[in-house]
Amino acid sequence: AQTVTQSQPEMSVQEAETVTLSCTYDTSESDYYLFWYKQPPSRQMILVIRQEAYKQQNATENRFSVNFQKAAKSFSLKISDSQLGDAAMYFCAYSRLVSFTGTASKLTFGTGTRLQVTL
Amino acid sequence: DARVTQTPRHKVTEMGQEVTMRCQPILGHNTVFWYRQTMMQGLELLAYFRNRAPLDDSGMPKDRFSAEMPDATLATLKIQPSEPRDSAVYFCASSSVVDHETQYFGPGTRLLVL
Repeated sequence: AQTVTQSQPEMSVQEAETVTLSCTYDTSESDYYLFWYKQPPSRQMILVIRQEAYKQQNATENRFSVNFQKAAKSFSLKISDSQLGDAAMYFCAYSRLVSFTGTASKLTFGTGTRLQVTL
Repeated sequence: DARVTQTPRHKVTEMGQEVTMRCQPILGHNTVFWYRQTMMQGLELLAYFRNRAPLDDSGMPKDRFSAEMPDATLATLKIQPSEPRDSAVYFCASSSVVDHETQYFGPGTRLLVL
């Protein structure tokens, strides 16, 4: 079974600084997707970034980027120029790719990292 | 602005009552997921459908929970009878192979069973 581990329950960063959130996962599959979702106090789950396992290039979305290390099964999220609006719970998630259909399966989530942004 | 919608956003009910939650997936998305979030268990999958057919409902208590997709624009999750331990936030998400099966979540239904 796939598992996702986020070892940092809480992190804090000053506004305008950079912070990295860690995530490791365990799988025997070779094709899969990895995601970071943000959950602010409103509880809405917001997609931050997606990484396809078959891509060697790390995904980036504006101030958000990932460091994907497939061999190490590591998928960290870097937030640059942190803003007050970045304060939220961040979940790392894994989705297996069902090869014979080309479709993905359910998301397996980590336990989340609560990010605080201070002035 | 394509998004997943869920109703109701909040529900307070008494133990034993029936609860129905509804979800409208993003138009064109053929896969719909139901997740539950609690403090103790985190986010867990209850069931999911592809092209309206149930693919996996192993995470759902069969005796009281049921999930259906009457048509491509509506998914429902019912709890009958509800129990206090069902109190949680219930999320619906939808995805499409065109977008690498990225799941987009609705705002959730916050359920409190007294």
